Amino acid sequence: SAVISQKPSRDICQRGTSLTIQCQVDSQVTMMFWYRQQPGQSLTLIATANQGSEATYESGFVIDKFPISRPNLTFSTLTVSNLSPEDSSIYLCSPLGQGANTQYFGPGTRLTVL
Amino acid sequence: AQSVTQPDIHITVSEGASLELRCNYSYGATPYLFWYVQSPGQGLQLLLKYFSGDTLVQGIKGFEAEFKRSQSSFNLRKPSVHWSDAAEYFCAVGVVTGGFKTIFGAGTRLFVKA
Repeated sequence: SAVISQKPSRDICQRGTSLTIQCQVDSQVTMMFWYRQQPGQSLTLIATANQGSEATYESGFVIDKFPISRPNLTFSTLTVSNLSPEDSSIYLCSPLGQGANTQYFGPGTRLTVL
Repeated sequence: AQSVTQPDIHITVSEGASLELRCNYSYGATPYLFWYVQSPGQGLQLLLKYFSGDTLVQGIKGFEAEFKRSQSSFNLRKPSVHWSDAAEYFCAVGVVTGGFKTIFGAGTRLFVKA
């Protein structure tokens, strides 16, 4: 499986600010998934990003709140905007290669909003 | 709609005892099925997966799972639990709907007592 890294690993932010999370993969991948894991909860898919096209968002998630960039096949960013304490979660990226059907996950970014 | 149900929020077993974690899924086609483990403060690690063929699949760390189509189940088992197995376990189904994505169950937290 690919080596996946995320930055930052954790952060504490003030409400109303934004945090951009970076996800780097050591090989080219077709799709990049972004998930949220709220405290004590399971993983919820936020959006799916393909290179060169706009991300596809799941129900309940909008681009204004969670803008995603996918400038190339090895990198993606997720921004969590206008932060509120409810955004305190772990955010995970998960790349998927062409024709693949198994998702692996980055180490996650633990966000705390005060 | 596709969904995954893990009926047990938490389970406690004694070290050395056997373990079975239950998982049921809802998906109209042949599913891709996964079990992931998340240790405290750690990322998600793939334990095993089922795509087709032998319905009993072996995974890492001595885990196995059995796919039963008639029961829409994919239960995870281990014959003898070790204290280090204490973690959160997620069952997941991979779905193909204009692309591939993975949907997670709510998770089962395993406690191991000495």
